[in-house]
Amino acid sequence: EPEVTQTPSHQVTQMGQEVILRCVPISNHLYFYWYRQILGQKVEFLVSFYNNEISEKSEIFDDQFSVERPDGSNFTLKIRSTKLEDSAMYFCASRPGLPGSGLNEQFFGPGTRLTVL
Amino acid sequence: KQEVTQIPAALSVPEGENLVLNCSFTDSAIYNLQWFRQDPGKGLTSLLLIQSSQREQTSGRLNASLDKSSGRSTLYIAASQPGDSATYLCAVKNSGGSNYKLTFGKGTLLTVNP
Repeated sequence: EPEVTQTPSHQVTQMGQEVILRCVPISNHLYFYWYRQILGQKVEFLVSFYNNEISEKSEIFDDQFSVERPDGSNFTLKIRSTKLEDSAMYFCASRPGLPGSGLNEQFFGPGTRLTVL
Repeated sequence: KQEVTQIPAALSVPEGENLVLNCSFTDSAIYNLQWFRQDPGKGLTSLLLIQSSQREQTSGRLNASLDKSSGRSTLYIAASQPGDSATYLCAVKNSGGSNYKLTFGKGTLLTVNP
């Protein structure tokens, strides 16, 4: 069964460093998302991406964050200068977006645990 | 702003029991509601999705109901097993817009004891 994959599973970085989190959405899905979950807190929406551009972003997604779909398969989240409070689990999700069953259902990857020291 | 609340925060039951997890949302103008399972330190597994026009969805031992007007959903788990132990998350997608961002509750931590 197709699934969303994410790499790395765990990333440790120093404050102020840039990190890139990678995701491979399910092929033929059209909508892509990043969410994050700080330990013990709710899963929070960061950004949605469609047709090679950001379609919506939350207040969390400030200028330090960017997303890119550099090729036909990868979807990346970059944090330019990490802060301690960026430590969280980051989830990528994708959605078909095409007519038919399951077009609304979001499928999540296993997450990348980011630890900022 | 949509807020999603899940009660109880934690639940411990003996194996074989039927149980109900509750989810409430403040803005009833939702497009759909999705239940997820999250194992410790792991990703989210989609269990059931209910469209706003539906009242319930079933998958195996799981049954999710939706009362949109009252802002409530329940997840019913029949004949619980130790393997059902996990955190169960409820998430809603508001009506309007095409981005389908989800607003999550904090989850219910379920422990099924053998």
